[in-house]
Amino acid sequence: SAVISQKPSRDICQRGTSLTIQCQVDSQVTMMFWYRQQPGQSLTLIATANQGSEATYESGFVIDKFPISRPNLTFSTLTVSNMSPEDSSIYLCSVRTSGALTDTQYFGPGTRLTVL
Amino acid sequence: SQQGEEDPQALSIQEGENATMNCSYKTSINNLQWYRQNSGRGLVHLILIRSNEREKHSGRLRVTLDTSKKSSSLLITASRAADTASYFCATVSPGTYKYIFGTGTRLKVLA
Repeated sequence: SAVISQKPSRDICQRGTSLTIQCQVDSQVTMMFWYRQQPGQSLTLIATANQGSEATYESGFVIDKFPISRPNLTFSTLTVSNMSPEDSSIYLCSVRTSGALTDTQYFGPGTRLTVL
Repeated sequence: SQQGEEDPQALSIQEGENATMNCSYKTSINNLQWYRQNSGRGLVHLILIRSNEREKHSGRLRVTLDTSKKSSSLLITASRAADTASYFCATVSPGTYKYIFGTGTRLKVLA
């Protein structure tokens, strides 16, 4: 298993500003993911964070809006740029402890973002 | 598009009763996982069932998988107020590493 922490746990931001969310894992992991969960909705994958290379973004998400860093095997950041009220969501970091396709995926506690 | 569709969307039961949630998906899968989410917080992993398995148990939880019908069910027996949460299924398909999440079932257990 993996223990994942996220900072901040919540924030209220003004339109047009940016917020960087940090994700720290207690062990080295191969695969890290960032998800968004809009109010009352399911989870949507934003991108896969690859160590030592650029993140892989899903359709509808772009690097300019959601830049991601993955400097090592235990840490990643997601920035939500030029925020609008539509970005109000819970942002979740997730990891798999191995590269196996059938491995369990673990989640952090989430960052609840409100944009005014 | 969403891989998994869950029903019911919401379920309200009395403490001590059993709760059953269903998940249907559209394409073949490698495995299926069930998660619980309390009040918009992080997801807690409950059970992983592989495509060659039909049933798994963990405490009060029982998960079944019917690949011919492309469906899974999660049964919570002798429910407790603490089981109140949203429950999601997630699937990963052959040739991909991405889990796709279902729409979720909001369970409310009344004391």
